[in-house]
Amino acid sequence: AQSVTQLDSQVPVFEEAPVELRCNYSSSVSVYLFWYVQYPNQGLQLLLKYLSGSTLVKGINGFEAEFNKSQTSFHLRKPSVHISDTAEYFCAVSPRTGNQFYFGTGTSLTVIP
Amino acid sequence: NAGVMQNPRHLVRRRGQEARLRCSPMKGHSHVYWYRQLPEEGLKFMVYLQKENIIDESGMPKERFSAEFPKEGPSILRIQQVVRGDSAAYFCASSKQENTEAFFGQGTRLTVV
Repeated sequence: AQSVTQLDSQVPVFEEAPVELRCNYSSSVSVYLFWYVQYPNQGLQLLLKYLSGSTLVKGINGFEAEFNKSQTSFHLRKPSVHISDTAEYFCAVSPRTGNQFYFGTGTSLTVIP
Repeated sequence: NAGVMQNPRHLVRRRGQEARLRCSPMKGHSHVYWYRQLPEEGLKFMVYLQKENIIDESGMPKERFSAEFPKEGPSILRIQQVVRGDSAAYFCASSKQENTEAFFGQGTRLTVV
């Protein structure tokens, strides 16, 4: 079985400060990893994904994430946030041999001017 | 290339009525996923379909809920005899290949009054 834990439900951060949104997962099989962003009243948009290869993945809007297999983590980072980054962020995993995407409960990022 | 299209965006139903939610996947995508999002919660998997086949419905409530993805036309999530607890945002996602990347629609917000 797979599960995803996003430890921080809310993260306030000042504009232009760095941010890290944490994601840990549990799985008995190899997985693909994803981060999605959801703006108010919108669907989810893919930020980045890890399928294989380099463990440091760069995505859109200046975000990046690092896959750490030993710690079963896939934390999302951005060195300098903007007001427009205020949104809900979801981490997701999908077993390589499965057909589902398992989502965390989300982290609400609020960028303070 | 149009994205995943869901309609209606908002749906209001009285208790006991039927709700039909439609999802047109991206062009060339034959895998469709349905998720439910409740306030302050993450996305809960409901069902995974390929054309004319239900592959995994482990997240679907046993009663009142059904889904289909016919050879022609959109995927339909059907909720019979709706109750207040069915009020939620329902998201559809599609992918070209199984579990490599899912593209989400903007969701249908169902309100049961």
